[in-house]
Amino acid sequence: ILNVEQSPQSLHVQEGDSTNFTCSFPSSNFYALHWYRWETAKSPEALFVMTLNGDEKKKGRISATLNTKEGYSYLYIKGSQPEDSATYLCASKPGGGNKLTFGTGTQLKVEL
Amino acid sequence: DTGVSQDPRHKITKRGQNVTFRCDPISEHNRLYWYRQTLGQGPEFLTYFQNEAQLEKSRLLSDRFSAERPKGSFSTLEIQRTEQGDSAMYLCASSQTGDTDTQYFGPGTRLTVL
Repeated sequence: ILNVEQSPQSLHVQEGDSTNFTCSFPSSNFYALHWYRWETAKSPEALFVMTLNGDEKKKGRISATLNTKEGYSYLYIKGSQPEDSATYLCASKPGGGNKLTFGTGTQLKVEL
Repeated sequence: DTGVSQDPRHKITKRGQNVTFRCDPISEHNRLYWYRQTLGQGPEFLTYFQNEAQLEKSRLLSDRFSAERPKGSFSTLEIQRTEQGDSAMYLCASSQTGDTDTQYFGPGTRLTVL
């Protein structure tokens, strides 16, 4: 993996469904993996920053895992609600650097 | 509100005109970043300041682009002789030096070049 890649590109789920997205990133020279939620007309909101292999983080109904050896992270949403509708972005930060390299995002739509 | 703010939120300009955007970071943050997002892509890094020093610039930042952070607080991004390809969302973020260095984003400035 040379770039940060996210899948799926978009997702439509029903209220109450649980869902998950994937972020793949270069595993060499890895330092940190960031997850953001970006709602239309708002600022991207920082969800998690993950650095350690095997790390798991949780914020309410949202959780994330990290595998730095194989270069992937999963974001899980349990019991999706309409207010979870947003674009979810992941970004990789290399060791020794400060810039984030973003994926193209997963656009989630939660329907009633 | 103590978050990152950007002004203006929207800018429509004609090709060839100059535009300037402003970013006010979170007050205690020493690092400031500019990113650009075009349709269907994730945000792409443009440049980064630590205090008033511009420490890194992307190859995406052509000679028509210039960014400043004169007193280590707010920053401006100027685009000269705008082109239609400059149409994008310009995002600013700030962070405080630390282990996680979480970058906090503003709402962006949407630029449309006609």
